[in-house]
Amino acid sequence: QVQLVQSGAEVKKPGASVKVSCKASGYTFSGYYIQWVRQAPGQGLEWMGWVNPISAGADSAQKFQGRVTMTSDTSSGTASMELNRLRSDDTAVYYCAYSSYSDSSFDYWGQGTLVTVSP
Amino acid sequence: DMQMTQSPSSLSASIGDRVTITCRASQSISSYLHWYQQKPGKAPQLLIFSASTLQSGVPSRFSGSGSGTDFTLTISSLQPDDFATYFCQQTYSTPYTFGQGTKLEI
Repeated sequence: QVQLVQSGAEVKKPGASVKVSCKASGYTFSGYYIQWVRQAPGQGLEWMGWVNPISAGADSAQKFQGRVTMTSDTSSGTASMELNRLRSDDTAVYYCAYSSYSDSSFDYWGQGTLVTVSP
Repeated sequence: DMQMTQSPSSLSASIGDRVTITCRASQSISSYLHWYQQKPGKAPQLLIFSASTLQSGVPSRFSGSGSGTDFTLTISSLQPDDFATYFCQQTYSTPYTFGQGTKLEI
């Protein structure tokens, strides 16, 4: 069955970087974009961007541009999201997801990775 | 960016009630509107995609309707497992924005 398994929780200091990985299995990894979404404590969902595993192309929301890098490794079936220059308001659960549908709805999600930014 | 306005932000209801949540887009998004359910500490789960198509495995008491800018999610008869937070999302254009969520409480 389809699984997206994310890396474990991280604690970082302001100004540092964090890299969250998402290992896919049970489907053709190169065939579908991987999306990244985050959720601050008690808040809503915020789309961060996507990476295309087959082309390595990526797109991100404007607020993250210049600070986020989304990559993929088709040999291992793993996507990664690196966020730089962390601030306290980057404290959130970060999810990877993908859509098997043409309308890009997210039908499969990872379990989430909590990133805490604290001095 | 496309703004998604969900209402209400919270809702108290009882088992067996019929509940409707609405989502309005700031511009037409055709039918690129999806609904998710999220329970505490868990990832969101897709309920309805393309405005009205029930995701596999989702009970038939959930339904969605609408197109253009106005959409609704209806739960025909609330069950205990339905108490959760619901989000709408548009994938008509990036950034793929979400509504702010509706917390459904007993």
